Amino acid sequence: QKEVEQDPGPLSVPEGAIVSLNCTYSNSAFQYFMWYRQYSRKGPELLMYTYSSGNKEDGRFTAQVDKSSKYISLFIRDSQPSDSATYLCAMKGNYGQNFVFGPGTRLSVLP
Amino acid sequence: GAGVSQSPSNKVTEKGKDVELRCDPISGHTALYWYRQRLGQGLEFLIYFQGNSAPDKSGLPSDRFSAERTGESVSTLTIQRTQQEDSAVYLCAKLQGGNYGYTFGSGTRLTVV
Repeated sequence: QKEVEQDPGPLSVPEGAIVSLNCTYSNSAFQYFMWYRQYSRKGPELLMYTYSSGNKEDGRFTAQVDKSSKYISLFIRDSQPSDSATYLCAMKGNYGQNFVFGPGTRLSVLP
Repeated sequence: GAGVSQSPSNKVTEKGKDVELRCDPISGHTALYWYRQRLGQGLEFLIYFQGNSAPDKSGLPSDRFSAERTGESVSTLTIQRTQQEDSAVYLCAKLQGGNYGYTFGSGTRLTVV
């Protein structure tokens, strides 16, 4: 079992739809949870950051962490064609130097 | 990505040749990471530099891979005797302070033919 699992997609939705992206993980020590967005031929850019459990909202984006289920989600409201990208989850414990990444979900928002 | 420059952006090399990839964290940063991203796969940790401490090389896949960094400046990742399975995007990142995630460069797309 991989340490972080993520449905690779591709996921296609119409413009304006609500998008739900998810990751599951196996390491209960993870405390820091990130979502990155990666456009084609670009490096990943940090989108959302959450520590421990709970929700965080930033504009059209909401990140949720459920540590009891080892499950994190990213919701995108009123999705736009410019949201079309690969979304990567990443996580880390209090110790250790590097983040562990999921394989990414490709999202296409169709106009 | 802003704050991290990588070169070259693309590199095509013949199997068996050596390649050198460059990362400049621009404003300088104590923590610098190299990751590899294969098509359809997640980012794979390669190596981590933290100040003057010994680098964490635990992610390097074979002894054909090596990396250097002097102080808080430029880092180079060298792949010797390249193989086709080395084809990937190699990403460099610096830590955005504490555990607040990375700033990535745009990567070097390596193709071994």
